[in-house]
Amino acid sequence: EDQVTQSPEALRLQEGESSSLNCSYTVSGLRGLFWYRQDPGKGPEFLFTLYSAGEEKEKERLKATLTKKESFLHITAPKPEDSATYLCAVQAPPEYKLSFGAGTTVTVRA
Amino acid sequence: GAVVSQHPSRVICKSGTSVKIECRSLDFQATTMFWYRQFPKQSLMLMATSNEGSKATYEQGVEKDKFLINHASLTLSTLTVTSAHPEDSSFYICSALLAGGFDEQYFGPGTRLTVT
Repeated sequence: EDQVTQSPEALRLQEGESSSLNCSYTVSGLRGLFWYRQDPGKGPEFLFTLYSAGEEKEKERLKATLTKKESFLHITAPKPEDSATYLCAVQAPPEYKLSFGAGTTVTVRA
Repeated sequence: GAVVSQHPSRVICKSGTSVKIECRSLDFQATTMFWYRQFPKQSLMLMATSNEGSKATYEQGVEKDKFLINHASLTLSTLTVTSAHPEDSSFYICSALLAGGFDEQYFGPGTRLTVT
């Protein structure tokens, strides 16, 4: 069974204070690892898909990296608008469904 | 692009009644849609996979007779919660997989169901 573990559960940052979120996974054959952002009371918003170890993707202040066992989401110089819950999910063949981690709730104070 | 809508966004119903939630892909065709539920401060739990023109595949522990799923077209899937009870109160979210693709799932904004 696919397992996805995210840490920490919550992260409080000062504006401009860079940090990283961790997503550890156990899956039989990874098709893709996904990062989503979710604001309270809303559906998840797609951020990145990573397919193979060593791959990196960036979007504004966010950078996602992938190894064979884990993924990191780096937040560089965060702003209050980066406050959200960040969800990690894995997809394994033959199916297309996603298995989600519990998420990391990030709060950025001005 | 890749917008998914849900209707209604919030619904309150009485115990014992049925509620239908719609999930639409607005600017793309989706052969596969997924239904999740999310409890407060918890992650998304997959309920079922909905394939256009065929029966839905339910996850273990999800009652298929209670959560009826219909995927009648490439842009619409519906979830009907039958004989709702207070324990069915939750945030229900759908997602859609781009036809011919296997990558990103695009999520709807969610439906808050409250059963009184």
